[in-house]
Amino acid sequence: DQQVKQNSPSLSVQEGRISILNCDYTNSMFDYFLWYKKYPAEGPTFLISISSIKDKNEDGRFTVFLNKSAKHLSLHIVPSQPGDSAVYFCAASTGNQFYFGTGTSLTVIP
Amino acid sequence: GEEVAQTPKHLVRGEGQKAKLYCAPIKGHSYVFWYQQVLKNEFKFLISFQNENVFDETGMPKERFSAKCLPNSPCSLEIQATKLEDSAVYFCASSHAPGAAANYGYTFGSGTRLTVV
Repeated sequence: DQQVKQNSPSLSVQEGRISILNCDYTNSMFDYFLWYKKYPAEGPTFLISISSIKDKNEDGRFTVFLNKSAKHLSLHIVPSQPGDSAVYFCAASTGNQFYFGTGTSLTVIP
Repeated sequence: GEEVAQTPKHLVRGEGQKAKLYCAPIKGHSYVFWYQQVLKNEFKFLISFQNENVFDETGMPKERFSAKCLPNSPCSLEIQATKLEDSAVYFCASSHAPGAAANYGYTFGSGTRLTVV
C-alpha cells in the first residue's frame, strides 16, 4: 500500500510564477520529509527536507510546508525557472528507510 | 569518490538469466540503500546495509534476490533467474547514517536499467 502519494503526475507553470507540488502521506510515525529532483537518466538529487516538528523550511527559492494534521506537505518554488523542469519526488522517513511518492513532472514554460 | 558509482548503466538479460549490479558508495558513507524504480516512477525499497551488515531487508524479495556489501569491494545486487517483471531501474544510494540522510538526503547513483527480454 502506497504510504506516500503524489496525486498530480504532471504540472506546467509559466516561468517566473510559483510552482506548488503536493504530497500526502498516511503514516503518522514519519519523522522527516524530503523532496528530491530527478532529471532523465540521472539519479534523484536531494533538494530540501523538513522535520516533523516544524511546519516550514525555506532554502532560497524552495520552501517546504508541512501540515501534520492533514498529513500533507507541499513544495513551493518561486520564481520558477526553466531549469526547474524535472520530476519531483517527495519522500518520508521512519528512520530506517524512505518511502517515496510516484513523482510529479514539472514543466516550466519559458 | 564524491559520487555513488553504479555499473553497468544498462543491462539486458534473457528471462531466466542471472543479473548482477554493482554500486560503489561515496567514501566515508557507511550506509548503502538499494531501490527499484518500476513503471509510473514508483520507488520500491529493497535493502540497506550498514557497512557490510544488512541493516534493513524488509523490501527484499526472498526468492531470487540477494545483495552484499563486502569490505574493499563495490556492493552488489544479484537477481537469479530473472523474470520480465524485474525490468526496472535499480538505484543505489549512500549516506553517513539514516539520521543524517533525513537532514541531507541520500546521495543517489544514476541507476542501472535492467531489461529482461
